[in-house]
Amino acid sequence: NAGVMQNPRHLVRRRGQEARLRCSPMKGHSHVYWYRQLPEEGLKFMVYLQKENIIDESGMPKERFSAEFPKEGPSILRIQQVVRGDSAAYFCASSPLLSVGETQYFGPGTRLLVL
Amino acid sequence: GQQLNQSPQSMFIQEGEDVSMNCTSSSIFNTWLWYKQDPGEGPVLLIALYKAGELTSNGRLTAQFGITRKDSFLNISASIPSDVGIYFCAGQLKNAGGTSYGKLTFGQGTILTVHP
Repeated sequence: NAGVMQNPRHLVRRRGQEARLRCSPMKGHSHVYWYRQLPEEGLKFMVYLQKENIIDESGMPKERFSAEFPKEGPSILRIQQVVRGDSAAYFCASSPLLSVGETQYFGPGTRLLVL
Repeated sequence: GQQLNQSPQSMFIQEGEDVSMNCTSSSIFNTWLWYKQDPGEGPVLLIALYKAGELTSNGRLTAQFGITRKDSFLNISASIPSDVGIYFCAGQLKNAGGTSYGKLTFGQGTILTVHP
């Protein structure tokens, strides 16, 4: 049973370019979460999505960041016009459709470096 | 928003020693989770706690969900070199209907170094 998959594992962008990060949840999981981790810090919640719906985007920066989880295909975290401060590890997690104990399982992350 | 204070920030121990780390919060959480993160990897779930007072073990790991629902601890017994890594606590809220608010709030992490 494959775990959460993320690609690319490493991404280098120049300031002003766009970054697209992809996440495929575990089989049978319909909830996806994105987190950001700065060096030597804990993970910070960004956005929570179900298929075709954004449930909670309270942790998303108001500008340049967007996320989607289409009916078909992976979830995408998109960062437009990247700046150096966007350099971080971005983790995706997924959980099954349960009402209790929705444990989240994390992918290996995408390390974004903005030059 | 909720904040978790995790301590200690780092620990340097000898192989075979026991380890204890804890998390406290100013807010109540309904679920506490403990994760381990190795360099360059994502967090891996170690233990999940769903009820206040719950004590759960996973091999050499034991974790408890505090009675007040504002704290949790993780113990590792007889540490081995592969226990090296960063350990994170995380809390999750549930609404009155019992469904999750989804997002996890993470502590700052405890860096564990084990000397052979």
